[in-house]
Amino acid sequence: KNQVEQSPQSLIILEGKNCTLQCNYTVSPFSNLRWYKQDTGRGPVSLTIMTFSENTKSNGRYTATLDADTKQSSLHITASQLSDSASYICVVSGVNAGNMLTFGGGTRLMVKP
Amino acid sequence: DTEVTQTPKHLVMGMTNKKSLKCEQHMGHRAMYWYKQKAKKPPELMFVYSYEKLSINESVPSRFSPECPNSSLLNLHLHALQPEDSALYLCASSQDPPDGMRKKLFFGSGTQLSVL
Repeated sequence: KNQVEQSPQSLIILEGKNCTLQCNYTVSPFSNLRWYKQDTGRGPVSLTIMTFSENTKSNGRYTATLDADTKQSSLHITASQLSDSASYICVVSGVNAGNMLTFGGGTRLMVKP
Repeated sequence: DTEVTQTPKHLVMGMTNKKSLKCEQHMGHRAMYWYKQKAKKPPELMFVYSYEKLSINESVPSRFSPECPNSSLLNLHLHALQPEDSALYLCASSQDPPDGMRKKLFFGSGTQLSVL
């Protein structure tokens, strides 16, 4: 069964600090992995997309890494801001036809002043 | 235009009401999706339309009825809902159909539905 596990479930950090969110998956064969940011009561917004051959991808203060061998990804947030407070969802897509997206449970990040 | 627009943003309805959620995109995407999201949970897939035809129905109760009038519009008709159906309903679209390689989803802001 395809699964995507995220950790931690929730995280509180101080403004200006860095943090790293983790995503482990069992989806196989793997196609790509996305990180989404979701503000409360809003739709998810894509931060990064990585395919099998990509190890690192950055989007401003967000840097995602992917290790397809160990089936792990991380999202690193640098110099956090209050506006980074949101849920971060890892979504993995498989290669096979009809293999839909598998969503992780998300990490709820709160950045405090 | 890279947006998926959903209306209304908020909806309160009784269990005997009939209402509809609307979704629109003008990116030329060929697949459109309905997701249901409960608080602090990831989105759960409900329906997928591919090239305006229903391709996936994740065993959703018949009180939810999707409709795709054309390639830009997606509706979700609601009838005789239960209080446990209260959730954030998200519409999404992607350039390729679900079994394509370019499955990047663009999400709308959602409709927060409360069933009394």
